[in-house]
Amino acid sequence: GENVEQHPSTLSVQEGDSAVIKCTYSDSASNYFPWYKQELGKRPQLIIDIRSNVGEKKDQRIAVTLNKTAKHFSLHITETQPEDSAVYFCAAQNTGNQFYFGTGTSLTVIP
Amino acid sequence: DTAVSQTPKYLVTQMGNDKSIKCEQNLGHDTMYWYKQDSKKFLKIMFSYNNKELIINETVPNRFSPKSPDKAHLNLHINSLELGDSAVYFCASSRQLGFQPQHFGDGTRLSIL
Repeated sequence: GENVEQHPSTLSVQEGDSAVIKCTYSDSASNYFPWYKQELGKRPQLIIDIRSNVGEKKDQRIAVTLNKTAKHFSLHITETQPEDSAVYFCAAQNTGNQFYFGTGTSLTVIP
Repeated sequence: DTAVSQTPKYLVTQMGNDKSIKCEQNLGHDTMYWYKQDSKKFLKIMFSYNNKELIINETVPNRFSPKSPDKAHLNLHINSLELGDSAVYFCASSRQLGFQPQHFGDGTRLSIL
């Protein structure tokens, strides 16, 4: 089955700095890679996603890059704000529709 | 207004009991899921249903039995609850299988005494 590894597990940045979270996956058949943000006590919410036929996608301060050859994808948050503090999960879905989440990154943005 | 709604929000019960969690989505989606999030925040898929049919059944004890009476509902029944079942259970839905973002409910926090 798929194995999704996520690093780092915790990340602290100063407000205004950038944050980068990285994930690797093992199943070369994986073709859809969403990122979810989960605030304390709340539900996970999709923030950005990318399909395997695209190398990069950007939405305002958030971007995701995908390297299919190396089987890794990354989340980039620029100009971080305190409200970006949350747990972020990457995920990978393969053609068998199996869905696997990474272990999560707890991001703290220090004002 | 809530797209994916779960009930109850909190469930406190004793070991050995049987309990159910209900989930409904009003998004017109074809696919629904159950996830378990443990105390370390790991999110693990348990089941996936597409148009009322079971698609994915991860390694979950058979004490857990999902039921989908129609494609807008996916309920989870748990028999003989154990201490290790304490977690937050999330229901989610997506428009269809594959390449689709999932919309999560607010979760049900299950605590076993």
